[in-house]
Amino acid sequence: DTAVSQTPKYLVTQMGNDKSIKCEQNLGHDTMYWYKQDSKKFLKIMFSYNNKELIINETVPNRFSPKSPDKAHLNLHINSLELGDSAVYFCASSGGGTYGYTFGSGTRLTVV
Amino acid sequence: GDSVTQMEGPVTLSEEAFLTINCTYTATGYPSLFWYVQYPGEGLQLLLKATKADDKGSNKGFEATYRKETTSFHLEKGSVQVSDSAVYFCALSDPRSGYSTLTFGKGTMLLVSP
Repeated sequence: DTAVSQTPKYLVTQMGNDKSIKCEQNLGHDTMYWYKQDSKKFLKIMFSYNNKELIINETVPNRFSPKSPDKAHLNLHINSLELGDSAVYFCASSGGGTYGYTFGSGTRLTVV
Repeated sequence: GDSVTQMEGPVTLSEEAFLTINCTYTATGYPSLFWYVQYPGEGLQLLLKATKADDKGSNKGFEATYRKETTSFHLEKGSVQVSDSAVYFCALSDPRSGYSTLTFGKGTMLLVSP
C-alpha cells in the first residue's frame, strides 16, 4: 500500500497548456502539502491544507491552484504552463506533532 | 524566521569512509529536527529525527545528536556504502506553527564510490 501516491509520475506538455497533478494519502493525516523541487534540489513549499482548509499559500503565481475535495486528497492544477514551471513537484502529508512528513514519489513536469 | 544551513556538496567518499554532513539551524524556541534522504528518482524519506536537546536520532547506521548549545544536528555514519549515495536534507519544524511546517536546508549530495 502506497502511503502518499501522486499521479502522473512524469508529465511532458507544451507551453500554454493546463495540467493537473493528483495526490492521495491513506495515512489518515489531517495536513497535506505541495512542494516544488528545482534542478538544484532546493525544496520550496507552495501550499498546505489542513482538513480541506488552506493554511499556507506561499508566493506562488495565480496560475497554480490547489484543490482539496477531502482531507485525503490534494490536487494541483496549473494554468498556462511556462518553461520555468519545469520541476519535480512533491506532495506530502503530516499527522502533526513531531512526526515529520511522508512524501510522495514526485511528479516530474517538463514544459517544452 | 526559521532557517537551516547545510554544508554544500557534493560530498565524495570511498566506500567504508566516515561521513559527516554538517547542519546548523536558526529558530526561536525548541524545534524538532529531522534528516531526510532522497535516493535518485525518488521522493524524500525520513531517515531520523530528534525532538529535544541532547536527543540522538539513529537509523540504518546514521546518527545525529540535537545540540542546542551549538544549534546543530550533524549527520554521521561510521562506514558508508555505495548504496548511501543520495541527497540528504536537514529540516526543522517549529512548535510555534503547531509543527505544521517543515523548513528544509538546501540538501547535500553524497557520492560514494567503490
